[in-house]
Order: sequence, then structure tokens, then C-alpha cells
Amino acid sequence: EPEVTQTPSHQVTQMGQEVILRCVPISNHLYFYWYRQILGQKVEFLVSFYNNEISEKSEIFDDQFSVERPDGSNFTLKIRSTKLEDSAMYFCASRGDTANYGYTFGSGTRLTVV
Amino acid sequence: DQQVKQNSPSLSVQEGRISILNCDYTNSMFDYFLWYKKYPAEGPTFLISISSIKDKNEDGRFTVFLNKSAKHLSLHIVPSQPGDSAVYFCAASEGSGGYQKVTFGTGTKLQVIP
Repeated sequence: EPEVTQTPSHQVTQMGQEVILRCVPISNHLYFYWYRQILGQKVEFLVSFYNNEISEKSEIFDDQFSVERPDGSNFTLKIRSTKLEDSAMYFCASRGDTANYGYTFGSGTRLTVV
Repeated sequence: DQQVKQNSPSLSVQEGRISILNCDYTNSMFDYFLWYKKYPAEGPTFLISISSIKDKNEDGRFTVFLNKSAKHLSLHIVPSQPGDSAVYFCAASEGSGGYQKVTFGTGTKLQVIP
């Protein structure tokens, strides 16, 4: 069964450093998303991406965040200058043109900012 | 502003009995509702969805009921199995195409006791 792949599974970084979280969505999917889940809290929407541009973003997705789909297969989330409160599980998801709006999520990247 | 609420953080059910997970929402613009299941260290897995124009959708042991007037939905699992033990997230979708996004509830941890 097709799956969304995220790397790395765990990333530890120092506060103020830049991190890039990588995702390979399902190949024929058209819509791409990043969500995050701070420990013990709900899964929060960050950004959606379609047709090579951001279509929606949340208040969390400020100027420190950016997304790219550089080569038609990878979908990356960059955090320019990490803060302690960016520590969370980051989930990438993709969706085809389906009627049920069911996303396929990756297994996540646990980001720890120290 | 919690647009999707799951008021029960946890639920314990005997194997073979019915599990009922509840969810309330506030945004009238939601037009699709979904349930996701999440195991530790994995991303959410899409389970079942329902359009806002329907009041019931069934898939095997899983049935989702929607009461639009009460802005309430529920997931029934019958019969419950130990492998169903996981965190269940209610989610709601608004928008379409590239502008579609899903908002998640806080989750209910289901434990099915053998």
C-alpha cells in the first residue's frame, strides 16, 4: 500500500538553528499538508500546499516557517530559527482527488529543540 | 477556539462490547467529518468519513453517525477488539480543492480490555 515517508524520524537541534523536515508524499497525490502535535495536545494544522504554492496556513505558520516541493517528489518544511516551543511531532500528509478527504499521514518527525 | 471537541479524553471498554466515541463541533461551514486512529509513534490513520448531507456511514465494524442540528457526531465500534486500543481523533473538513483543510479534535484514548 502506498505510504507517506518522513525523514528523519527524530531530530534534535539547538535553539536558533535551522531545521529541514523531509517528506515524500504518495506519488499521484495532489494536495500536501504539514501538521504538528505538541506532546499531549491535539494535532494542529500548519499549512496546505497545492499546485506548487501555499493554499492555506495557520497562525502557527509564521515567517519562521517555509515549505517547498523542490523536485516533484519531496515536500519539505523548514524552520529558520528554532525555538523551544517548536518541539513537537511534525506530520506530513497528502491527499489525492478523493471524495472522502481522507489524508494519508506519514509516521512523523519528532523535533526536539534544546 | 476549539472548533472540534472531544470531551472524553479516555474510554475503557470490554472486548466484544460496543465502543462509542463522541465529538462536537461549532463551525457550520464544516462539510465533511472524519475519524482517524493513532497508535503511539505513528501518524494518524484515516478510518471512516461522512459527508454533512448524510447521517450515517458504515464500514465493517465502524459506523459514524452525524447529527447536524446538534453539531454532534459519534463513532461506534462493534464489536470492540483489543487491537482497536488507540487514540481516536475526530476531524472536520472545510473548503475544497487546494483550500480544503482538516481541523482535529483533541483525541480520545480507547482501551479495549480483553
